[in-house]
Amino acid sequence: IAGITQAPTSQILAAGRRMTLRCTQDMRHNAMYWYRQDLGLGLRLIHYSNTAGTTGKGEVPDGYSVSRANTDDFPLTLASAVPSQTSVYFCASSDNRGSSEQFFGPGTRLTVL
Amino acid sequence: GDSVTQMEGPVTLSEEAFLTINCTYTATGYPSLFWYVQYPGEGLQLLLKATKADDKGSNKGFEATYRKETTSFHLEKGSVQVSDSAVYFCALLGTSGTYKYIFGTGTRLKVLA
Repeated sequence: IAGITQAPTSQILAAGRRMTLRCTQDMRHNAMYWYRQDLGLGLRLIHYSNTAGTTGKGEVPDGYSVSRANTDDFPLTLASAVPSQTSVYFCASSDNRGSSEQFFGPGTRLTVL
Repeated sequence: GDSVTQMEGPVTLSEEAFLTINCTYTATGYPSLFWYVQYPGEGLQLLLKATKADDKGSNKGFEATYRKETTSFHLEKGSVQVSDSAVYFCALLGTSGTYKYIFGTGTRLKVLA
């Protein structure tokens, strides 16, 4: 593994189903993030984690949950998917230095029907 | 709160034309500023960054200067290529210690041969 991996690459999901998007990084970064990207709206932060064992809400957290049991993994769960959650989801990580950049995964394209 | 405003696209240029994508920000103190690029079907990649006033970030012929007096971080390139066609995002990392990045809505650039 090099950098950040996300799985699945894409998924079509029926409304009401539960879904977990996976994210793993091998850079030992403390901070991890989930964004959704929608046309014309740029990137919106869903949840973040500054360090293993802690999480925080971003701009659009409703309908999503996260956990951070260890440094490397940061799964995003949709408990009961709705069509408005159709989007491209990006996981990112950074170390906790003031000037450090974020590293992004390749994204998961999710369609909720 | 912190915010980033960047010019709306799409921007269409001929090959070898000069490029400017405007970005202004609102933040307290001295945030770190970034430009990311997203090629079709991929995640975001760091293009350049600047961490203090008057710093110039540069990479692959792109440049941006951190202007505290005008709260701006405009992206420029003297001669664009078809391969520069992508979506460009301006972003900042504030000084509040929360390690949350703020992104602009993105500017799509299309370069014609």
